[in-house]
Formats: sequence, structure tokens, C-alpha cells
Amino acid sequence: EIVLTQSPGILSLSPGERATLSCRASQSVSSNYLAWYQQKPGQAPRLLIFGTSRRFTGVPDRFSGSGSGTDFTLTISRLEPEDFAVYYCQRFGSSPLYAFGQGTKLEI
Amino acid sequence: QVQLQESGPGLVKPSETLSLTCTVSGGSVSSYYWNWIRQPPGKGLEWIGYVYYSGTTSYNPSLMSRLTMSVDTSKNGFSLNLSSVTAADTAVYYCARGRYGDYGLDFWGQGTLVTVSS
Repeated sequence: EIVLTQSPGILSLSPGERATLSCRASQSVSSNYLAWYQQKPGQAPRLLIFGTSRRFTGVPDRFSGSGSGTDFTLTISRLEPEDFAVYYCQRFGSSPLYAFGQGTKLEI
Repeated sequence: QVQLQESGPGLVKPSETLSLTCTVSGGSVSSYYWNWIRQPPGKGLEWIGYVYYSGTTSYNPSLMSRLTMSVDTSKNGFSLNLSSVTAADTAVYYCARGRYGDYGLDFWGQGTLVTVSS
């Protein structure tokens, strides 16, 4: 099983700062099959990035994704108050077909 | 805009079967991959499985022996049955659509809390 490990577990920043979230895979993941989600309390996750670097419809351009192989990054260029949430990376492929990282909590 | 809505009992007794339905509006179940994901209180996300519109399924091996999923095109929805539940199955259960090509989960239901307790 390809395990995704996210770091840090908690990231404390202020509005206007830059956030860099990491997702490391235990084996190589196709860049076509790496996604990022945002989840706010009491809400369902929301797709932000698919295919490592492509923003989903309506996602602000301050969100960007990058990486390849086993190391992937979600960057939020300038934090807005509404960006404080939990972020999950997710891979597709191998067994189980879908798997999520454990999440990074972005807090003020 | 595609919308998904989970429905089913919020309380299930241990050893019984958890049954949920996801109704799709604004789109058809006759394409795409239809997924179930769960999240225990205060914890992360776990993929349960998907059912393709043709009826083909793929399940998480950790749950496979207890799972059944199906799609109902006449009701434009799909369902989840998880048998022999225990307290460890207490979670918010989400349904979500899987995209072709990159398999990202682009539309999600709001989630429904299912508690396993006697």
C-alpha cells in the first residue's frame, strides 16, 4: 500500500503569509493522480487541486500545487482568513485505489 | 451544478447492517464513478469504495468482506451496505463523484453521521 504522509501536522500562520504544505508518498505516485482537498469544520471536503497542479473550477489562483514522484506540495501564496482549514492530499492507484494523507491543520 | 445528498438511519445497532443512499441531482449517475468515504469523529478520511455506473465495484480491502454497493439509474442514485457493524464504524459518511481521467473527487454530499450503538 502506498501511504501518504503530510507535514506539518499543524501549521500556524497569519493572514497574508505564505503556506507550504507537504505530502510525501511511500512509493512513487503518478502526477496525474495526486489531488488536494480543503475541509472546514462541519463541511465536506472540497476539491482544490487535481493532477498535482491543476486548479479545480472556482479555486482562487493563490492556491497552487507542484511535485512529482514521492514529494508533492500545496502552496497558498497569500493566506486569506477563509483559508484556515484542514488540508488533505489524496492519491489514486494501487490498493486501496484511493487513499488520503492524515491532514494538515492550517490555523491562525 | 451537480449535487449529492446522503440519506439513511443515523443510529445502527452493533452487528446489524448500515444502509445509506446517495441521491444525485443536476447530473446523471449513468457515467462517472460513485464513491463512499467516511470520517470518524475528529479523524481523517477513509475511502470505502466506488460503484461505476455500469455496476462494476471497487472496494477498500479492509472493508471488502462486509461491503455491497450498487447504482440505481431509475432513482438516479447509488447505495452502500456495510454489514456486521461495530462502534469502529461510527463516522460521518460522505458520497462523492469520481472524475474520469484523474479520478479526483469533485462533488461531495454534505455527509451524514452514523452512530453504531445499542
